[in-house]
Amino acid sequence: QQPVQSPQAVILREGEDAVINCSSSKALYSVHWYRQKHGEAPVFLMILLKGGEQKGHDKISASFNEKKQQSSLYLTASQLSYSGTYFCGTVPFGSSNTGKLIFGQGTTLQVKP
Amino acid sequence: ETGVTQTPRHLVMGMTNKKSLKCEQHLGHNAMYWYKQSAKKPLELMFVYSLEERVENNSVPSRFSPECPNSSHLFLHLHTLQPEDSALYLCASSKEAGYEQYFGPGTRLTVT
Repeated sequence: QQPVQSPQAVILREGEDAVINCSSSKALYSVHWYRQKHGEAPVFLMILLKGGEQKGHDKISASFNEKKQQSSLYLTASQLSYSGTYFCGTVPFGSSNTGKLIFGQGTTLQVKP
Repeated sequence: ETGVTQTPRHLVMGMTNKKSLKCEQHLGHNAMYWYKQSAKKPLELMFVYSLEERVENNSVPSRFSPECPNSSHLFLHLHTLQPEDSALYLCASSKEAGYEQYFGPGTRLTVT
């Protein structure tokens, strides 16, 4: 039931792009994305509610393919501040009003100068 | 105080002790959550409260007992814990259940 994220770890140079994928074996109502820096609390990035929806702010965007039950997070022109662990959280169909969020194992992103 | 606060930030307890973790949110949210984060494991949802009513209990052992006296406060009462319960315990809140969540800094718990 836990979504699977890939890759597990990424190392980038500043300015490079990255894609993080999140796949679920269950039908999904929504997908959340969070970033957690070492020693800090996870911080909300975005939520995707509809199949095919794409969202973004600044140079971080995401898509949600409802049919494939997967979401992708796109980081373009990466900055040092993007370093951290990225988690996707999935809300299964039928759980939309319970707040039940199932997190993936995380993808560690390191951006080097 | 703004956002979500948690106390204590660090806690060391023996297996026979009883302690409580406290979470307070200053965002006017109606839903609150407890998560467990162990090393090299994903965030595990423990409990969800919506409008002070428990709406989700994710098969958590009875040695963890949540309490939500009002929409701003959430407690996690701990008793007879095991060493494998050592972890970072995170509290979060959201406007309504299912909306984006805002996390507190966590309580680092060590069970000896």
